[in-house]
Amino acid sequence: DAMVIQNPRYQVTQFGKPVTLSCSQTLNHNVMYWYQQKSSQAPKLLFHYYDKDFNNEADTPDNFQSRRPNTSFCFLDIRSPGLGDAAMYLCATSRGAGAYEQYFGPGTRLTVT
Amino acid sequence: GESVGLHLPTLSVQEGDNSIINCAYSNSASDYFIWYKQESGKGPQFIIDIRSNMDKRQGQRVTVLLNKTVKHLSLQIAATQPGDSAVYFCAEMVGSGYSTLTFGKGTMLLVSP
Repeated sequence: DAMVIQNPRYQVTQFGKPVTLSCSQTLNHNVMYWYQQKSSQAPKLLFHYYDKDFNNEADTPDNFQSRRPNTSFCFLDIRSPGLGDAAMYLCATSRGAGAYEQYFGPGTRLTVT
Repeated sequence: GESVGLHLPTLSVQEGDNSIINCAYSNSASDYFIWYKQESGKGPQFIIDIRSNMDKRQGQRVTVLLNKTVKHLSLQIAATQPGDSAVYFCAEMVGSGYSTLTFGKGTMLLVSP
């Protein structure tokens, strides 16, 4: 089945130690998104790629970066994780930008110690 | 660690009842809406969508109603089952062109056998 895959499902990192989360998709979708979701809150968009074009949300901290080396893969890099960055990180894809359904991966739960 | 989350509004129903989950959206220019279901520890799962040129759309056991006058969206689930227990999010998008989803606050649905 075509799907959105996130690895690892659970990630523990130390305060200030860089960490990378990965997402891959077999849907061949043009757009890939990264969301941050804290407990009992709605997903919050961090940034997205339309093909190779990177689009950062205005309030996304500089500590968060992303890379999309090809259509299938997208990475979320947190350069210096703080305790407040502990959250579920969700990757999603859509066929195009605009009024298209977004397909979500299972998420990576990040713990910062 | 994570900041303390907000308490989600909760709807408790008995198995077999019909459930109605409401959502007030913020932007009168929004013209595409999606309902997502999120089970504990999983990514959001698409349920149904509706465009602003419609007032109602039906799926299997679900109906979405859109009232643009008061910026209100509702999700009706018929014959609710224990497997419907989850957090439900509405999401809105402005424009059919290049745009992104904004998620509303979720509602937790608890279904008792």
